[in-house]
Amino acid sequence: AQKITQTQPGMFVQEKEAVTLDCTYDTSDPSYGLFWYKQPSSGEMIFLIYQGSYDQQNATEGRYSLNFQKARKSANLVISASQLGDSAMYFCAMREGGAGGTSYGKLTFGQGTILTVHP
Amino acid sequence: DTAVSQTPKYLVTQMGNDKSIKCEQNLGHDTMYWYKQDSKKFLKIMFSYNNKELIINETVPNRFSPKSPDKAHLNLHINSLELGDSAVYFCASSQGLASGLFFGPGTRLTVL
Repeated sequence: AQKITQTQPGMFVQEKEAVTLDCTYDTSDPSYGLFWYKQPSSGEMIFLIYQGSYDQQNATEGRYSLNFQKARKSANLVISASQLGDSAMYFCAMREGGAGGTSYGKLTFGQGTILTVHP
Repeated sequence: DTAVSQTPKYLVTQMGNDKSIKCEQNLGHDTMYWYKQDSKKFLKIMFSYNNKELIINETVPNRFSPKSPDKAHLNLHINSLELGDSAVYFCASSQGLASGLFFGPGTRLTVL
């Protein structure tokens, strides 16, 4: 079974508007971390935001926020005030277990969502 | 200063050849990884080293052999290259086993 699911292969948004990229996850481990990465056309992987499973508040980093709904096992990325430079592939990823957990720190990635920002 | 670097950035080679990709991180991290991104952009872990010790080997063919001479370096050697090995290979590092990954710029391998 897929551990990380991104159901939107592609999304379009108008410049300056907000957009939500969906991510659902599957784990029975009570300790896990959720990450979002951006991959522009140049190819590098850029870390955006992190949410720990025990964090009480949703993570925010500038224009990025993570809508964490633990009971629904979803960790959607919200980008506010979209910019043309936000056009990229976005990956959701999960790390199961804390330090010493059997995942040994590896991240499992979703399929990605291509975001296109229109002027 | 580059945090995680990989060489070469591009690698074009013939089927059957042997090639290596080098990775270095100057972040002082003790865990390093190799990920493969296929033509559909799917990222999958291949190997992970923690303090020079192999801790993850995700059913990768024996033709792929990682080597970690020290904590700051993790190289990937590939024998008898096949067409299906064409992909982008990312090196990454993390501080311990409970933090996110910092990725290198990737190496685009094309096997002809």
